[in-house]
Amino acid sequence: AQRVTQPEKLLSVFKGAPVELKCNYSYSGSPELFWYVQYSRQRLQLLLRHISRESIKGFTADLNKGETSFHLKKPFAQEEDSAMYYCALWWGSQGNLIFGKGTKLSVKP
Amino acid sequence: NAGVTQTPKFRVLKTGQSMTLLCAQDMNHEYMYWYRQDPGMGLRLIHYSVGEGTTAKGEVPDGYNVSRLKKQNFLLGLESAAPSQTSVYFCASTARGGYGYTFGSGTRLTVV
Repeated sequence: AQRVTQPEKLLSVFKGAPVELKCNYSYSGSPELFWYVQYSRQRLQLLLRHISRESIKGFTADLNKGETSFHLKKPFAQEEDSAMYYCALWWGSQGNLIFGKGTKLSVKP
Repeated sequence: NAGVTQTPKFRVLKTGQSMTLLCAQDMNHEYMYWYRQDPGMGLRLIHYSVGEGTTAKGEVPDGYNVSRLKKQNFLLGLESAAPSQTSVYFCASTARGGYGYTFGSGTRLTVV
């Protein structure tokens, strides 16, 4: 069955430090993966999609099919990066997204 | 540039009361979804619709009903609210063949 796992509920780093938010998935087909970000009490916003291989706000994510991972990385964290981050897997013909349980990133000054 | 609009933004219900949450999108998207967000649980799919007049159950459909009478609107109903339905509800939509969702701003529901 398809599943998305984000092993860390909370990740705390200092400003300027590198950050990596982990995401592992389970899916028998060819995965389409996303990262969404939710700032305090706001709507979820699309941060990255693996298919476009883009960098947004300094974040990148690489799909590793061998390790079934899609970790989100940023070399130098900023305080404004503090937010909830969700990894999501697109599956099926009806456009369903399965979300991980989320990782709360806290960037300390 | 409204995107996906949810009403109301906040609501407090008493146990046993009913209510309807409205989601409206102006992007001509075929697919619409209702999720609930709970601490430590992430987002869980309640119901979804792949077109006008069609609905389907998601992961946690019990206690909820939905209707998609018009393409742009997706309604979520609670017939008899329970405290376990205290949550933040998000609506989302996407185009057929599109990838990724556009989310609404959420409805914070408290059932006492």
